[in-house]
Amino acid sequence: DAGVTQSPTHLIKTRGQQVTLRCSPKSGHDTVSWYQQALGQGPQFIFQYYEEEERQRGNFPDRFSGHQFPNYSSELNVNALLLGDSALYLCASSPGLSREGSETQYFGPGTRLLVL
Amino acid sequence: AQSVTQPDIHITVSEGASLELRCNYSYGATPYLFWYVQSPGQGLQLLLKYFSGDTLVQGIKGFEAEFKRSQSSFNLRKPSVHWSDAAEYFCAVGLLGNEKLTFGTGTRLTIIP
Repeated sequence: DAGVTQSPTHLIKTRGQQVTLRCSPKSGHDTVSWYQQALGQGPQFIFQYYEEEERQRGNFPDRFSGHQFPNYSSELNVNALLLGDSALYLCASSPGLSREGSETQYFGPGTRLLVL
Repeated sequence: AQSVTQPDIHITVSEGASLELRCNYSYGATPYLFWYVQSPGQGLQLLLKYFSGDTLVQGIKGFEAEFKRSQSSFNLRKPSVHWSDAAEYFCAVGLLGNEKLTFGTGTRLTIIP
């Protein structure tokens, strides 16, 4: 049973560029959440996708956008990259709302983004 | 506002000694509570969780945590640590119907021989 997978593992971009990160949820999960973890900090919630819709959003600017596909995989897009966007980006999956275990999120290994 | 506090940034423990990592939360209702562990360069692994019922919960790797409503705490414990327990530990909180997790800033655990 595959867990949550993310790609790529590492990425280097320059300021002003755009980046796309990808996530495949754990088998049987249909809800995907994205978190940003800056160095030395705890993860911060970016947004959550369920049924291909953004269900909830944290305190992040519109430069951060996402998408969920019919197979439940998800992408995180960040436009106009800033130096401060350098972080570990974590994807988490969970069963859908009202399903048993929906409150528990399982995390992938993350994508480390460096913006120069 | 909802918040999670892990007051200890860094803890050093001798191998074989007992461990307690502190977590306090501030929420309007009884939340769901989690402890995750993160090894260097890795994602988060779920150690244990509390939703309701018995306030002492058991997790993987010999860890346990106790929910104390009166103190708004959910401290993580292990009776005897192993060198492989060296990692960053995060306490997280969620609410029913709101699956966003709010994390503390983490406690880095160092194990000395």
